[in-house]
Amino acid sequence: DTGVSQDPRHKITKRGQNVTFRCDPISEHNRLYWYRQTLGQGPEFLTYFQNEAQLEKSRLLSDRFSAERPKGSFSTLEIQRTEQGDSAMYLCASSNRQDTIRLEKLFFGSGTQLSVL
Amino acid sequence: AQRVTQPEKLLSVFKGAPVELKCNYSYSGSPELFWYVQYSRQRLQLLLRHISRESIKGFTADLNKGETSFHLKKPFAQEEDSAMYYCALRVTGNQFYFGTGTSLTVIP
Repeated sequence: DTGVSQDPRHKITKRGQNVTFRCDPISEHNRLYWYRQTLGQGPEFLTYFQNEAQLEKSRLLSDRFSAERPKGSFSTLEIQRTEQGDSAMYLCASSNRQDTIRLEKLFFGSGTQLSVL
Repeated sequence: AQRVTQPEKLLSVFKGAPVELKCNYSYSGSPELFWYVQYSRQRLQLLLRHISRESIKGFTADLNKGETSFHLKKPFAQEEDSAMYYCALRVTGNQFYFGTGTSLTVIP
């Protein structure tokens, strides 16, 4: 499968623990996005990278959340001191910069389901 | 503030009947709108975007700036159209805002 890959698929953790998720985008895609989705809601934007640069971060994103994309390829999303409210599906998406930006298309991964007990 | 509203959480239609999934948006700039679809046990994927004025799997959507709507339509629903549909708005700076989604069930 040459699509967007996310690891792990599921993560169960205790409140207060740190967790880290990984996303491998489609190779040569220079843009990478993290979204969070809770039950009954649509995906909510968290942050966005172009190559290794983190260009945007949601104002809703707590400082317990940090994301990196050190070499402009894979990305990690870390949540420190997890809380029960962090339980959600964490989605990664990638895209390729287009000459006409309006033709940009997001390719989503299968997500990481986080459960905080 | 920008927002996407999908008023129907659930929608059921019979096979062969027309279907319309509603989407309204709120954005002061020039909107870019998309429909994404998630079939059972599959990933979220792009269905169509307004800029391309395309018809995909028989679905079309027209941007109506006066009514701030981007409703998704298909004249004859098929069983394989059963899925979760999300309307999305892209704003300057590359953020995509998604609606809460509509679960479409096509009854055979």
